[in-house]
Amino acid sequence: NAGVTQTPKFRVLKTGQSMTLLCAQDMNHEYMYWYRQDPGMGLRLIHYSVGEGTTAKGEVPDGYNVSRLKKQNFLLGLESAAPSQTSVYFCASSYSLAEGSYNEQFFGPGTRLTVL
Amino acid sequence: QQQVKQSPQSLIVQKGGISIINCAYENTAFDYFPWYQQFPGKGPALLIAIRPDVSEKKEGRFTISFNKSAKQFSLHIMDSQPGDSATYFCAASKETSGSRLTFGEGTQLTVNP
Repeated sequence: NAGVTQTPKFRVLKTGQSMTLLCAQDMNHEYMYWYRQDPGMGLRLIHYSVGEGTTAKGEVPDGYNVSRLKKQNFLLGLESAAPSQTSVYFCASSYSLAEGSYNEQFFGPGTRLTVL
Repeated sequence: QQQVKQSPQSLIVQKGGISIINCAYENTAFDYFPWYQQFPGKGPALLIAIRPDVSEKKEGRFTISFNKSAKQFSLHIMDSQPGDSATYFCAASKETSGSRLTFGEGTQLTVNP
């Protein structure tokens, strides 16, 4: 099993350009998440999905859109990139929450994005 | 607004020493507290986690201590090794959040040989 994979690994954009980050998981997880990691700020949740066809806003959703058309894929889009979106982006997935349990999130290797 | 605050930001320990990382939370609805470990160039991975119905959980050299009244929890790494050098994140979640995690700022641990 590949686990959680992210494409691309690195990307440099100019201000105003758009791009899509792809996350794929082969663990049949219901839940998927997109985080951004910035120095001294930990990981902050951008958007998440609790199942195919559903998405919801996280802590820092502005400037991003997401889609979950297939259970195994979660796409993160930047419509008009800004320098403030320079960050490392991580995708994660987990099983759905069974009553009274908490499920481990499995992270991908990250995408390092620079917006000039 | 940082609901989970972590300290220190960086920590240097000698091989064989004890590494201690502290976290404090504000939301009393949080009821699950995991620690994630991240090596350079990799994504975070679950290290150990605790529920507030116990005050301590130990897995090998890693121990979580939990103080519900103080709303604080900490990670202790005994007999620290150079291979433990990584960034550590505490996090918190509540049962109604659908496994969403709120992370602390992270601590960069360096264990010198």
